[in-house]
Amino acid sequence: EDKVVQSPLSLVVHEGDTVTLNCSYEVTNFRSLLWYKQEKKAPTFLFMLTSSGIEKKSGRLSSILDKKELFSILNITATQTGDSAVYLCAVSNFGNEKLTFGTGTRLTIIP
Amino acid sequence: NAGVTQTPKFRILKIGQSMTLQCTQDMNHNYMYWYRQDPGMGLKLIYYSVGAGITDKGEVPNGYNVSRSTTEDFPLRLELAAPSQTSVYFCASSSGGLNTEAFFGQGTRLTVV
Repeated sequence: EDKVVQSPLSLVVHEGDTVTLNCSYEVTNFRSLLWYKQEKKAPTFLFMLTSSGIEKKSGRLSSILDKKELFSILNITATQTGDSAVYLCAVSNFGNEKLTFGTGTRLTIIP
Repeated sequence: NAGVTQTPKFRILKIGQSMTLQCTQDMNHNYMYWYRQDPGMGLKLIYYSVGAGITDKGEVPNGYNVSRSTTEDFPLRLELAAPSQTSVYFCASSSGGLNTEAFFGQGTRLTVV
């Protein structure tokens, strides 16, 4: 069975700190790994990663994939209160239209 | 831009009642999905559709039905509501399958009592 595990489950840091969120996976026929940010309601797309070692960046957020170790990290530098959210990691595989989601990391930024 | 619109935003149902969760998108996406999210859990795929007239089961389809008569609409039907169906339901769409960015609706919070 496909599996996505995120850690930590929750994290509380002060504004300005840097955080690293982890996502490990076990899936057959891996195709891509996606990160989503979920504030109060709908998840919003952050990154999609398909190749090892290539960093994707968007402002203070960056992410990288290691297909050998079956692992991805999401980094957020100089955190702001608006970064408080649940961050979801999901993995897709070839052969079926299915995304397997992790349970998410709840990030809280204290002013 | 409306994107993906879900209605209602919340609903309370009694055990055994039925209801339809509506989902419509205005991005001309072929792919549409229904997920449920239970507290502290990731999203689980209920049903998906790769185009009008085509639907397929996801991980947790039992107790639900869908139809896709148009590209825009993908309603989810609960026939005999059960407490286990208490959850937040998200509809999503994408242009090219799950390997592309999915756009989510705002969710429907359903409570079955």
